[in-house]
Amino acid sequence: SQQGEEDPQALSIQEGENATMNCSYKTSINNLQWYRQNSGRGLVHLILIRSNEREKHSGRLRVTLDTSKKSSSLLITASRAADTASYFCATDHILYGQNFVFGPGTRLSVLP
Amino acid sequence: EADIYQTPRYLVIGTGKKITLECSQTMGHDKMYWYQQDPGMELHLIHYSYGVNSTEKGDLSSESTVSRIRTEHFPLTLESARPSHTSQYLCASRSGRRNTEAFFGQGTRLTVV
Repeated sequence: SQQGEEDPQALSIQEGENATMNCSYKTSINNLQWYRQNSGRGLVHLILIRSNEREKHSGRLRVTLDTSKKSSSLLITASRAADTASYFCATDHILYGQNFVFGPGTRLSVLP
Repeated sequence: EADIYQTPRYLVIGTGKKITLECSQTMGHDKMYWYQQDPGMELHLIHYSYGVNSTEKGDLSSESTVSRIRTEHFPLTLESARPSHTSQYLCASRSGRRNTEAFFGQGTRLTVV
């Protein structure tokens, strides 16, 4: 079964607003990663946060990780129409054989 | 820029045909993955490999097979395609070191008629 679960499934906001997406997972992890996918394309890596980190920034992206709640959030500030895409979290599990699995994704629409 | 390539980008074939989807990477990555994704839906891991001569089945039951004879090459084969195989197939690779990102190919969109 898939480990990551994003929330919400779909999000529609106006340009300039902030977008927040959440990801929950079930087992112990080495790291959690966020990816972006434009329609019909492959995924592109956005940011990786290790299990011993609580917050990380990259440009307009801010990621938090709460290992006690097994959850992460991705914040995109000052969103642009070009941010319209699907966003997925992926977890890298500690246990051997628990492979690199993705959640169902959040479809973000940024309206101009 | 990711150096991982999938061919073909689009493929339409008839039921019962044997097909091989190609995936190659030039980054020397040990780990490679195949995911199946219906439009707008989640990714399902169908096969993965940790290195040459290592292949494992993923979470999603699949009638496909893979091989890993060379580090850079991870082809996926469907012996007898069916309409239920219609989907997008994504290949990814990553380093064998811990805490590294995955690089994805552009995908192969397969339609079985």
